[in-house]
Amino acid sequence: NAGVTQTPKFQVLKTGQSMTLQCAQDMNHNSMYWYRQDPGMGLRLIYYSASEGTTDKGEVPNGYNVSRLNKREFSLRLESAAPSQTSVYFCASSEVVRGGGYTFGSGTRLTVV
Amino acid sequence: AQSVAQPEDQVNVAEGNPLTVKCTYSVSGNPYLFWYVQYPNRGLQFLLKYITGDNLVKGSYGFEAEFNKSQTSFHLKKPSALVSDSALYFCAVRDVSKGNTPLVFGKGTRLSVIA
Repeated sequence: NAGVTQTPKFQVLKTGQSMTLQCAQDMNHNSMYWYRQDPGMGLRLIYYSASEGTTDKGEVPNGYNVSRLNKREFSLRLESAAPSQTSVYFCASSEVVRGGGYTFGSGTRLTVV
Repeated sequence: AQSVAQPEDQVNVAEGNPLTVKCTYSVSGNPYLFWYVQYPNRGLQFLLKYITGDNLVKGSYGFEAEFNKSQTSFHLKKPSALVSDSALYFCAVRDVSKGNTPLVFGKGTRLSVIA
């Protein structure tokens, strides 16, 4: 089925380790996003890419980097993981129209110990 | 700045009763408004959206929402709740005047439907 695919689904890291969360969409959407979900905090935007070749910071970008590899793929990298980055991470994509909603991936549950 | 408020962290309703999940928004221009639902250990799924036109929007699974510009609200409703509606619900907004900017989400409301 068409949609947004995130890998891995679960990950445990030690403090200071690095990792990359992968996201790919097959709907030919131009815009892609990374959010984190924490209890009582809702969804907070980390980074987004309005179109291929562009990326912008969201509300909580510190400690993260992103790469829009091509139109399909948008990765999120933690260079030196910290316990505060323990969260569920969601990737989403959308069409470049003002009424366009998001299609979400199933999430990555990350624990940093 | 765009913002969304979901004033209730938790809503409990008996099966078969009507349900309402509240959402208010703040934008400088006109809003695009969305509702998403998240079932346990799943990603968010689109329920419905208001772009323009009729203030009453119908969506998936029998849900509907009413856009009220004067009260800056977009409450989610369903005439008869099911146990399977138990989930986490998110309201989101985008300011029309700001182009294709990211959606801003509320903190979510957990709906519990009791049999």
